[in-house]
Amino acid sequence: GAGVSQTPSNKVTEKGKYVELRCDPISGHTALYWYRQSLGQGPEFLIYFQGTGAADDSGLPNDRFFAVRPEGSVSTLKIQRTERGDSAVYLCASSRGTGGEVNTEAFFGQGTRLTVV
Amino acid sequence: QKEVEQDPGPLSVPEGAIVSLNCTYSNSAFQYFMWYRQYSRKGPELLMYTYSSGNKEDGRFTAQVDKSSKYISLFIRDSQPSDSATYLCAMSIETSGSRLTFGEGTQLTVNP
Repeated sequence: GAGVSQTPSNKVTEKGKYVELRCDPISGHTALYWYRQSLGQGPEFLIYFQGTGAADDSGLPNDRFFAVRPEGSVSTLKIQRTERGDSAVYLCASSRGTGGEVNTEAFFGQGTRLTVV
Repeated sequence: QKEVEQDPGPLSVPEGAIVSLNCTYSNSAFQYFMWYRQYSRKGPELLMYTYSSGNKEDGRFTAQVDKSSKYISLFIRDSQPSDSATYLCAMSIETSGSRLTFGEGTQLTVNP
């Protein structure tokens, strides 16, 4: 596809369950980001991948949250023992990730709306 | 205190009005400034990207950065109903490989 694809679009889960959210970045984009957006708020940074490695995971709120990108393309955000406070839209973005003065625009997916009941 | 402050609105204007959206920030390390537009149930899309202090114009949109005051603005001229969306300012320290820090967004409605 031409854009960043996130699946599922919506996920309802029970408190305490495990969930996985998937992100397919734009082909060739080496940088991948996860953000979380609560209602009425701006996106909040969670984690950044450059290639397969997590270059910055300082935004993950606690050890229930984990993300992987094993082949440097698709990424999965994993949330263990979900809590009601985890309910939010989880956004994925990708960019070319090149350095210097080049505008490395981050393209966002439509998000996964997670509801923990 | 949040690193980026943005008036959440909501802001309602008549079609054709000039709209002014603003953000202030506290982290002087921010070097890159962006404005994103987000329609309901969609991901943010980049509108404007600026690096230095000053103005940058793109069609009906003008982005303004004042690093000395830690203040950025987005002006929309001749606003249209299709401009109705949430506008998010965002900032980063580096051009690549750097997290974006967003404001909370301003909800704009342009009435026909």
